[in-house]
Amino acid sequence: GAVVSQHPSWVICKSGTSVKIECRSLDFQATTMFWYRQFPKQSLMLMATSNEGSKATYEQGVEKDKFLINHASLTLSTLTVTSAHPEDSSFYICSARLGTGGYGYTFGSGTRLTVV
Amino acid sequence: GESVGLHLPTLSVQEGDNSIINCAYSNSASDYFIWYKQESGKGPQFIIDIRSNMDKRQGQRVTVLLNKTVKHLSLQIAATQPGDSAVYFCAENLNLGGNTPLVFGKGTRLSVIA
Repeated sequence: GAVVSQHPSWVICKSGTSVKIECRSLDFQATTMFWYRQFPKQSLMLMATSNEGSKATYEQGVEKDKFLINHASLTLSTLTVTSAHPEDSSFYICSARLGTGGYGYTFGSGTRLTVV
Repeated sequence: GESVGLHLPTLSVQEGDNSIINCAYSNSASDYFIWYKQESGKGPQFIIDIRSNMDKRQGQRVTVLLNKTVKHLSLQIAATQPGDSAVYFCAENLNLGGNTPLVFGKGTRLSVIA
């Protein structure tokens, strides 16, 4: 089935540094990927929609200059958290759409970001 | 019983009992709904889906019910097992045919008592 590989699974970084999270579709082409953020004991909140070859669409309240999204190929989308701060510590999850039906939304395993 | 915490309501059930998890969705125009299971530190795992032209769908040990009149979705798990302990989210999609994202509900933590 459709698999989305997300790396790293966890990362610890110092405040002020940048962190890149990768999301790869392994056996299908994903023209659209979605990035979510999840704080402890909360739901997944959509951050942005990543479209291959074009600019990402950000949700209200998400800073596009802080959360840089690049979707340069049909199998790779990256999220870079720039100048990370402790409040950016969260669980980041990517998702890709493949056709219709429940299996058409497949999720990565998530990245636990801790900013110290 | 069911309790509402600061962020995530919790449902506690005895092993072997049936579980019912409820969800109120937000958009009356949503036409596709999915239930996900999320274990700690992992991404969401697909359980079952339903389209808006249906009001019930059954899978293995799970049933989803959709009431469009009151914008309510429920997940029923039969003979709940310890392995069912997790957080469950409903998700809605506005347009089944387009590349629109899923919008997630608040989630419910299911705790199975052995």
